Formats: sequence, structure tokens, C-alpha cells
Amino acid sequence: QVQLQQSGPGLVKPSQTLSLTCAISGDSVSSNSAAWNWIRQSPSRGLEWLGRTYYRSKWYNDYAVSMKSRITINPDTSKNQFSLQLNSVTPEDTAVYFCARGALGNNWFDSWGQGTLVTVSS
Amino acid sequence: EIVLTQSPATLSLSPGERATLSCRASQSVSTYLAWYQQKPGQAPRLLIYDASNRATGIPARFSGSGSGTDFTLTISSLEPEDFAVYYCQQRSNSPPMCTFGQGTKLEIK
Repeated sequence: QVQLQQSGPGLVKPSQTLSLTCAISGDSVSSNSAAWNWIRQSPSRGLEWLGRTYYRSKWYNDYAVSMKSRITINPDTSKNQFSLQLNSVTPEDTAVYFCARGALGNNWFDSWGQGTLVTVSS
Repeated sequence: EIVLTQSPATLSLSPGERATLSCRASQSVSTYLAWYQQKPGQAPRLLIYDASNRATGIPARFSGSGSGTDFTLTISSLEPEDFAVYYCQQRSNSPPMCTFGQGTKLEIK
């Protein structure tokens, strides 16, 4: 059974970088059949997919167009985890952030982390 | 970007009744559609993928149908634990992305 455990600060100052980590158990970040995603949820924007990293003989990343200039998702094979970095945050980036495994052939999100409320405020 | 529109926004039903939730895409997504259930304070849970396949452990009272632009999630006989918010989600390849609907809240009447 796959479990995803998120960690990271719940408060980030405007213009700084939001950093979260998702530790994987029961699967591998280097799996050839899964993708590792970040999704956020806020009352104003609903559920919003941010991006993913996945391994298919080499590493790939896909990012939401709206995030492309500010986001980095990196795998860490030594710790079997992946991370999210979102630069130059504003209060509009305040949301609950989830990591999720994409699987079942079409990046359907079949396992989720517990969620982290990140507030952007000075 | 493909927009998913869910209806109704709120559905008020009683346990034992049948629930029908709708999701309409702004352009065809073939059968690349999933449904999720979310309860307060929890992450979403995958119910249906590829429009009509139940995810592991999902009871048979949940079923999905549709293709192209119109999709339906049906709960045949509501149990107390089914009252939650339901989201549809599509995925596309060019460019690679996923979008969610705005949700339908299923509440006890």
C-alpha cells in the first residue's frame, strides 16, 4: 500500500520560496509506471494541478502553464521522495498543498498525501 | 485549457436514494476522466478512472459513464458515508495537464 507523507513549513513570507517534500513508502520515485504530482486547493481556485515528475528511462517534468516560470519539482532517489519549490510567492499562493501518485496508465491520482496548509503572509 | 463544469452545485438527497452527478467538458476528453470524493479535512479519494472503471476498494454502488464531453457519476443507493463533495478531473497530453471541475456537494436532505 502506497503512503505519501508530506513535510514543510506552513507559513511563507511574500516573495520567498515555498518548499515542500513528499516521502514515498510502498512504491519508488523511480517507478516506470507512476508519476509524482503536486496539487493545491484553495476556496478561490478549487483543485489545481501544479506539475509532476516521472521516470521513463530518464527523468521528465511537466508543469502547469500558469506555474511554469516559478515551479520546480525534483525527485530524490536516495531518500525515495520528491519536492516542490514555488518561487516568488504571493498571498494568492495560500492553499492546501497535496502530493499525489499518478498511476493507472493515465496519471490518475490514486494515492494522496495528507495535505499541508501553506499560508503566505508577512 | 479544457474546462470541466459540474452540475448541480449542490444535491440534497436522503440515504437510500439514487444520486446522479454530471460533468461536462468544454471539448472532448474521450474517456480520460476521473471522479473523486472528498470529505472535510481529507484528501480527495479516487472513485472512478477512465470514465467507468472503479478504483480499488470502491463499492459497486458507484458507477461512472460517458465519453466525449458528457459524463455521469451515479451512486445507486446512498449510504450515510457518501455525503461529501465530488470532483471530476480530466487529463490531456498536449500540453500535458490536468484540470478539475468545481465540485458537487452531496448533502443530506
